[in-house]
Amino acid sequence: DGGITQSPKYLFRKEGQNVTLSCEQNLNHDAMYWYRQDPGQGLRLIYYSQIVNDFQKGDIAEGYSVSREKKESFPLTVTSAQKNPTAFYLCASSGGTHTEAFFGQGTRLTVV
Amino acid sequence: DQQVKQNSPSLSVQEGRISILNCDYTNSMFDYFLWYKKYPAEGPTFLISISSIKDKNEDGRFTVFLNKSAKHLSLHIVPSQPGDSAVYFCAAGSSGNTGKLIFGQGTTLQVKP
Repeated sequence: DGGITQSPKYLFRKEGQNVTLSCEQNLNHDAMYWYRQDPGQGLRLIYYSQIVNDFQKGDIAEGYSVSREKKESFPLTVTSAQKNPTAFYLCASSGGTHTEAFFGQGTRLTVV
Repeated sequence: DQQVKQNSPSLSVQEGRISILNCDYTNSMFDYFLWYKKYPAEGPTFLISISSIKDKNEDGRFTVFLNKSAKHLSLHIVPSQPGDSAVYFCAAGSSGNTGKLIFGQGTTLQVKP
């Protein structure tokens, strides 16, 4: 089945630790995205990548880093510099402009 | 600066009636718009989209209307069903941004049996 997979579904992190969220797609999409959802604020774009080995900052990139070494994979690292990392993180991919983005099931990150 | 706004955080309608969800945008460069449905702790699923060259797009019980002069779009669901209860997000994109979407804050729809 084609789709986009995020893992893990739930993640706990101690303050001061970096953590990496996984996102894999087998839809052969060039573009991939990371969004963050907080209550009452919709989905805010963290980073996006339109092609392998290239990525751009979104609206709230501070405290996050990404890599795009393979077309299928777009991992997101939440660093200790992120002041408020507890949130629901969503990964998406799309085939280009004027097409819908497909989302993964999300990862709930909680800092303890 | 919120480029895409959904000013109603919640909406409650009776089963069988029409649900109308609204969305406003400020960036005139947006040229396609999408609606997504989201359940708690899940990723959003695509519902329907519309290009700026159209003013209406229909898919079954779902119809999206676009008023470019007012920079306003709406999603009509008719008849509404209890299974439609979810959070609905509108999103906008532009050809110059190769697939990057800007989302509104979401509207929680409750359809009462």
